[in-house]
Amino acid sequence: EPEVTQTPSHQVTQMGQEVILRCVPISNHLYFYWYRQILGQKVEFLVSFYNNEISEKSEIFDDQFSVERPDGSNFTLKIRSTKLEDSAMYFCASTDTTSGNTIYFGEGSWLTVV
Amino acid sequence: SQQGEEDPQALSIQEGENATMNCSYKTSINNLQWYRQNSGRGLVHLILIRSNEREKHSGRLRVTLDTSKKSSSLLITASRAADTASYFCATVLNQAGTALIFGKGTTLSVSS
Repeated sequence: EPEVTQTPSHQVTQMGQEVILRCVPISNHLYFYWYRQILGQKVEFLVSFYNNEISEKSEIFDDQFSVERPDGSNFTLKIRSTKLEDSAMYFCASTDTTSGNTIYFGEGSWLTVV
Repeated sequence: SQQGEEDPQALSIQEGENATMNCSYKTSINNLQWYRQNSGRGLVHLILIRSNEREKHSGRLRVTLDTSKKSSSLLITASRAADTASYFCATVLNQAGTALIFGKGTTLSVSS
């Protein structure tokens, strides 16, 4: 069964460093998303991406964050100047919208900022 | 906000018992979805119910939707230890968009 894949599964970074989290969405999907989940908290929407541009974003997704689809398969989340509070599990997801907005999630990238 | 909120926050039952989780949301929806998350893993879609549906079944899952009360319930029948997970309802952020917003979830523990 097709799946969303994410790398790395876990990354530790120094505060102030830049991090890029990578995702390969399901191949025929057109909408891509990033969510984050701080330990013990709910899953929070960050951004959605369609047709090579951001279509929706939350208040969390400020200038510290950016997304890119550098080629036909990858979808990345860049976090600049990381802060301790950016430590969280980051989930990539995708959908083709023909399934009524059912979104398919990857297994997540756990980011630890020290 | 379209955000769904689940209740109870935590539920502990014995294997074989039924588990019922509830979700309330704030504005009109086209559909509502339920997802499951095992600890430390990604979310997995369970079931989608459209606004013109009142009840839907999938295996041991039964979902109801009451748009007049802006609420939904997820019933897991004959629960198993493997059902231990967090369960979330989700609605779209914007009617014109596709992004889902999740509630805080119900953490279900099924003991054998």
